[in-house]
Amino acid sequence: DSGVTQTPKHLITATGQRVTLRCSPRSGDLSVYWYQQSLDQGLQFLIQYYNGEERAKGNILERFSAQQFPDLHSELNLSSLELGDSALYFCASSAKAGTEAFFGQGTRLTVV
Amino acid sequence: AQKITQTQPGMFVQEKEAVTLDCTYDTSDPSYGLFWYKQPSSGEMIFLIYQGSYDQQNATEGRYSLNFQKARKSANLVISASQLGDSAMYFCAMREGFNAGNNRKLIWGLGTSLAVNP
Repeated sequence: DSGVTQTPKHLITATGQRVTLRCSPRSGDLSVYWYQQSLDQGLQFLIQYYNGEERAKGNILERFSAQQFPDLHSELNLSSLELGDSALYFCASSAKAGTEAFFGQGTRLTVV
Repeated sequence: AQKITQTQPGMFVQEKEAVTLDCTYDTSDPSYGLFWYKQPSSGEMIFLIYQGSYDQQNATEGRYSLNFQKARKSANLVISASQLGDSAMYFCAMREGFNAGNNRKLIWGLGTSLAVNP
């Protein structure tokens, strides 16, 4: 158990809908990262938050947004969903000077 | 340009034998970290081993060791005494600017699928 909790584990929704994925980092970790893993693109970095502030942005679509709350949990919001958004979404966390990022079990999103 | 290259899409190994999974990387940053992760069919991403660019010795963690050749920019994962449970996807990843005091994102290879045969 990595200590990073992601909910829900599975999500099936229709095109055009909006969903929210939630992540609770390991206790004490200030950094939260979101990654998307799809069959055709591999693992892609989406966005990083550090202690509530956006720190780095990757290949995140405008339809996607994220935030990190004062209790350090984070949410990834995906809107106007398309079939191509079907993927495994990972959250990871690390301490400020961490040598590894601990991953949650992922949320498998299926858009139908 | 691809920063992490895993040239072996799939590998087979006999149970109890050792296997090496290749990873080459490209960076101009003197400070970086290299990671290996395992992703079984259940989907979770499991951290295996880490090597810092300034580490003098190759990292080892149980049956996992990292053959770090800095001049060649390679960081191959060696799994000794393979077990059936080692069958999974293995990803090599890099974090640049590790010593900058600020976490940076991981850059990932496309992975190697390892199958351990009984």
